[in-house]
Amino acid sequence: EVQLLESGGGLVQPGGSLRLSCAASGFTFSNYAMNWVRQAPGKGLEWVSGISGSGYTTFYADSVKGRFTISRDNSKNTLFLQMNSLRGEDTAVYYCAKDRGYCSGASCHRLSWEASDIWGQGTMVTISS
Amino acid sequence: EIVLTQSPATLSLSPGERATLSCRASQSVSSSLAWYRQKPGQAPRLLIYDASNRATGIPARFSGSGSGTDFTLTISSLEPEDFAVYYCQQGSNWPLTFGGGTKVEIK
Repeated sequence: EVQLLESGGGLVQPGGSLRLSCAASGFTFSNYAMNWVRQAPGKGLEWVSGISGSGYTTFYADSVKGRFTISRDNSKNTLFLQMNSLRGEDTAVYYCAKDRGYCSGASCHRLSWEASDIWGQGTMVTISS
Repeated sequence: EIVLTQSPATLSLSPGERATLSCRASQSVSSSLAWYRQKPGQAPRLLIYDASNRATGIPARFSGSGSGTDFTLTISSLEPEDFAVYYCQQGSNWPLTFGGGTKVEIK
């Protein structure tokens, strides 16, 4: 069964840091781009960051650029989101999501989008003093 | 950044009725548009990709249409599980963006 399981959320003070993880199973992790999407309480979805299958290419939303870093360990089938300089507006449920587009070889260096077909259950991040 | 505007914000319908949801882009996204359904307390689920293709396991009552800047999600006959929030997402340009959502509620 294809599955994504996020972890690492919690309560952090403004200015603090947190590292989210997303463990993937049931598919060849390195052949798919991955994304992080968040949802503030009672609000809509906001794309945060994406990473190519190889990890070579990354993109960020302006709201997190310079503060968040996406990465992946294909040997451990795990996606990460390092979040620094956290603010109140970063409070949200954070979802990892698998892109449906398959890549192989050199094409895995390029980040493209074909829609997110598998989502984790989410992990809550609360920024408050 | 491409802005997606969904309308209406809320749609009040009865089970068995037809639902028509709209998503308009601030500039052309070609066919790089997806639709998701999100039930309360759950993660979103992919319904439609490339504007008009049903995702795996999605029933035929869901259909998508449009290209360029104007897109429509149609649910031909609402089932109880369809009362939820629907989001469109574009993947034509980075950053990826979502629409604000349409809530389909029971009338």
